Amino acid sequence: GESVGLHLPTLSVQEGDNSIINCAYSNSASDYFIWYKQESGKGPQFIIDIRSNMDKRQGQRVTVLLNKTVKHLSLQIAATQPGDSAVYFCAEAGNMLTFGGGTRLMVKP
Amino acid sequence: SQTIHQWPATLVQPVGSPLSLECTVEGTSNPNLYWYRQAAGRGLQLLFYSVGIGQISSEVPQNLSASRPQDRQFILSSKKLLLSDSGFYLCAWSTTSGKETQYFGPGTRLLVL
Repeated sequence: GESVGLHLPTLSVQEGDNSIINCAYSNSASDYFIWYKQESGKGPQFIIDIRSNMDKRQGQRVTVLLNKTVKHLSLQIAATQPGDSAVYFCAEAGNMLTFGGGTRLMVKP
Repeated sequence: SQTIHQWPATLVQPVGSPLSLECTVEGTSNPNLYWYRQAAGRGLQLLFYSVGIGQISSEVPQNLSASRPQDRQFILSSKKLLLSDSGFYLCAWSTTSGKETQYFGPGTRLLVL
């Protein structure tokens, strides 16, 4: 994808604070969106997904918000913990799943 | 439940040597299979995907190739490695629709010297 060559942006938060990771997607026809978490040296792991007929979906300590008007997706992590430190990728499903460039979340103790 | 395996976990190879990375999936039938490469600190680059045995689609022209000899086996190969082939290689599977969630393996870290 077009984001492959970009260095990852970094979000640094204090332990216990809430984190918000943002993602802009490009295909207005995408109808399914996923957030992945990738810890260092491991493969990405599914966190939460949302379909385009929803604006919000909640999981355990995570919430995904979808704004189709501006093609924006966000992942909110409540009470961020050191174990949340990782790279977070969004993905959109048009004809195929397309991954965003990722954001590195660093949690300060 | 479904599981996905990759091996080896780590590989150090000299320039010009061949490569074979293997990926197998358990607990599902007729999955879509994918190979990605991830450079250090970068995003995911789709290399190949397969919708069935012997069916391979290439996303990026390069000196790598992929094969799917069995339903749940996906192999990434090269006849002669380049320095630029170094990276973290990830295999993933999804249901046949191709638009659904992809589930990733643990990855293989390849260093070409």
